[in-house]
Amino acid sequence: GNSVTQMEGPVTLSEEAFLTINCTYTATGYPSLFWYVQYPGEGLQLLLKATKADDKGSNKGFEATYRKETTSFHLEKGSVQVSDSAVYFCALRSNTDKLIFGTGTRLQVFP
Amino acid sequence: DAGITQSPRHKVTETGTPVTLRCHQTENHRYMYWYRQDPGHGLRLIHYSYGVKDTDKGEVSDGYSVSRSKTEDFLLTLESATSSQTSVYFCAISEVRTGGLYEQFFGPGTRLTVL
Repeated sequence: GNSVTQMEGPVTLSEEAFLTINCTYTATGYPSLFWYVQYPGEGLQLLLKATKADDKGSNKGFEATYRKETTSFHLEKGSVQVSDSAVYFCALRSNTDKLIFGTGTRLQVFP
Repeated sequence: DAGITQSPRHKVTETGTPVTLRCHQTENHRYMYWYRQDPGHGLRLIHYSYGVKDTDKGEVSDGYSVSRSKTEDFLLTLESATSSQTSVYFCAISEVRTGGLYEQFFGPGTRLTVL
């Protein structure tokens, strides 16, 4: 079946450090892939997306590349800020049009 | 921001009582979803709707029912709440976009505690 696996958190970084949050998936067909972010006390917001192999999604300095050969969609940012502290969810849209989420990775950035 | 509101935002109730959560949208989107968020599980789909009076079960539908009598409202009911239903509940909406890709927009969530 379809599933998404994320690295466990929390990920703790100093401001301006490089961020990578790993995400791998299992799916039939060619799913669309997403990263959502959840700030404390809020709902999820779409951060970026990619719809086919080799697509790169980007937004607010975050990037993720759809790698079909490794079934991965790792989230990266070159220089994190305290305001990036949040929970990040990787998700895929299945061939039945449902979103399948990973368990989420908490990022904590300290000054 | 997508016009999605959820009510109540917080609720504490006792085991065995009925509970109804409301999701209201002003976007006229066709699709609406209810998820629950629990540590170690991410978000899991409870029920969804693809139009007025058209609903279907998600991954964790046992103990929940839904109704959608109007485009803008999607109600989630716990007929007899149990402690295992203590969770944060999120509503989401979506619509078909150009090229078939669609995004889901999420409400602010309802924190439910069942004692």
